[in-house]
Amino acid sequence: DGGITQSPKYLFRKEGQNVTLSCEQNLNHDAMYWYRQDPGQGLRLIYYSQIVNDFQKGDIAEGYSVSREKKESFPLTVTSAQKNPTAFYLCAARLTSGRPDTQYFGPGTRLTVL
Amino acid sequence: AQSVTQPDIHITVSEGASLELRCNYSYGATPYLFWYVQSPGQGLQLLLKYFSGDTLVQGIKGFEAEFKRSQSSFNLRKPSVHWSDAAEYFCAVGAGYSNYQLIWGAGTKLIIKP
Repeated sequence: DGGITQSPKYLFRKEGQNVTLSCEQNLNHDAMYWYRQDPGQGLRLIYYSQIVNDFQKGDIAEGYSVSREKKESFPLTVTSAQKNPTAFYLCAARLTSGRPDTQYFGPGTRLTVL
Repeated sequence: AQSVTQPDIHITVSEGASLELRCNYSYGATPYLFWYVQSPGQGLQLLLKYFSGDTLVQGIKGFEAEFKRSQSSFNLRKPSVHWSDAAEYFCAVGAGYSNYQLIWGAGTKLIIKP
């Protein structure tokens, strides 16, 4: 079954702790993305990666970090520097065809800071 | 600046009634346009997309959308809604060949009256 998996589905964190969200895809897509979603708002881009070992900051990268050591995996770390991390986080992947083709999404991780 | 506007935060329609969700974009070049749907607590699913050609695009679940360049619009329609269509709908614009990002609208929440 092809697709994008995100884990865990729900995550609770104490203030001051770093936490890592997992995103794995078996679509063999080159590009991967992390978005943050808050109630009543659209998606805001945190980081994206078009190839392995390369990634770029999106609009709201402060307080987040990523790595792309394998094509299939694009984990997101929410650091203690992120002032308001409680949100729904979505990972997406896209086959790079030379144009903004379809992004396919995982089921999301809801992070709550206690 | 590039932007996507979904003027309606919420829309309520009766089951069996027709639906139109509005999307307006601001983008200088030929846009690549997408509609996604999100059920509560879930990831986003692609409904349909427009890249070129016929300006009336058919999607999944009986949805269609029409690209009107003169009005900078890409409105989503369905002739008869079902209770299962209750969800949030997002319009997005793909920003050109060299930029692999999507610009997102804030979403429209569809409520179905029985």
